[in-house]
Amino acid sequence: DTEVTQTPKHLVMGMTNKKSLKCEQHMGHRAMYWYKQKAKKPPELMFVYSYEKLSINESVPSRFSPECPNSSLLNLHLHALQPEDSALYLCASSQEAGLAYEQYFGPGTRLTVT
Amino acid sequence: RKEVEQDPGPFNVPEGATVAFNCTYSNSASQSFFWYRQDCRKEPKLLMSVYSSGNEDGRFTAQLNRASQYISLLIRDSKLSDSATYLCVVNSPSGSARQLTFGSGTQLTVLP
Repeated sequence: DTEVTQTPKHLVMGMTNKKSLKCEQHMGHRAMYWYKQKAKKPPELMFVYSYEKLSINESVPSRFSPECPNSSLLNLHLHALQPEDSALYLCASSQEAGLAYEQYFGPGTRLTVT
Repeated sequence: RKEVEQDPGPFNVPEGATVAFNCTYSNSASQSFFWYRQDCRKEPKLLMSVYSSGNEDGRFTAQLNRASQYISLLIRDSKLSDSATYLCVVNSPSGSARQLTFGSGTQLTVLP
């Protein structure tokens, strides 16, 4: 079962709101990722967690705050976002954060910032 | 030069046609290669990994040419359901901030 789940599917938030995106996988994968994807563009890596520790932050603004409570869960806390942050936010996981491993993506959360 | 380059298309082909996509990568130290497909407003789904010896999965054949640094995907007997954007993805060791590098995608429409 190569399933990664994400909630919510859609989110509309104002610039002063605080919200969280959630991601879960039960494949025993030890690496989890957050990506941002704008329309007609490829996904852009935001964060990588390896064994529940943040290993890569792609210079993401601090209004995005990741959290990995355990090996199956990944959250992305959102605060004071800008309209240009509106995008599809994808979570992915892989067996390890190494070079040879395929990543499996969740269905994404479509975020609109008003 | 982009790290991973693909012809954006669109490719419009009739059902039953054979279509090929190419992708070039700039980092000669790249070690893992994948093709993903992405349907409109959906997540990328792994189509196949690409191995040095080439590999086939049903109607899909992937090839890797390390000397020329390109990857190809061949789709035979195209189906309407093959319509999607195909993303070439490379996993490179250099550049500490990189894990997977995505090409911009090639859009395929299979016409009835």
